[in-house]
Amino acid sequence: KQEVTQIPAALSVPEGENLVLNCSFTDSAIYNLQWFRQDPGKGLTSLLLIQSSQREQTSGRLNASLDKSSGRSTLYIAASQPGDSATYLCAVGAHTGTASKLTFGTGTRLQVTL
Amino acid sequence: DGGITQSPKYLFRKEGQNVTLSCEQNLNHDAMYWYRQDPGQGLRLIYYSQIVNDFQKGDIAEGYSVSREKKESFPLTVTSAQKNPTAFYLCASSITQVFEGRNGELFFGEGSRLTVL
Repeated sequence: KQEVTQIPAALSVPEGENLVLNCSFTDSAIYNLQWFRQDPGKGLTSLLLIQSSQREQTSGRLNASLDKSSGRSTLYIAASQPGDSATYLCAVGAHTGTASKLTFGTGTRLQVTL
Repeated sequence: DGGITQSPKYLFRKEGQNVTLSCEQNLNHDAMYWYRQDPGQGLRLIYYSQIVNDFQKGDIAEGYSVSREKKESFPLTVTSAQKNPTAFYLCASSITQVFEGRNGELFFGEGSRLTVL
């Protein structure tokens, strides 16, 4: 059974710092990996999707990497801003027919202070 | 605007009552999903559907039921058999055909918070 772990559980950084969030998974036979952002009481917003054949994806100040063989992914946030404060969730996908079943980590709660 | 709409946003239920949560999408996605989120736990899959009139159980289907009569709609019923229904429920949908490398990306609604009194 796939298990996804995110470290650290919480992180507080001053504005402007670069930071790395970590995600590890136990079964390397994944279809894709997706990073989400969740604000308190809200739904999930997709940040980046990495297919199993890819090594990284970039969107603006965000960069996500994937190392299937070691079961790890990182989300790099450059020049952090207070608006980046949220919970970041990592999820690994197993392909089932035409659907994508995701297994989620418990998230990293990020606070960016002024 | 294209997206996923969940309703109601907040719902209160007495013990022993069934409730139905609505999920509608206008993204023309084939696959739809229901997840449950509890504090300190990762999201857990309740049910998913790959196509109209077909759905499969996820990891925690007991006490829940779904239907998929239309492509854009995937309602979830929380029955009285669900022992601990208080939670945040999230509906999602995904692209299934290969399209510029975004195959399998999930998009979520804003969630419905169910509280059992």
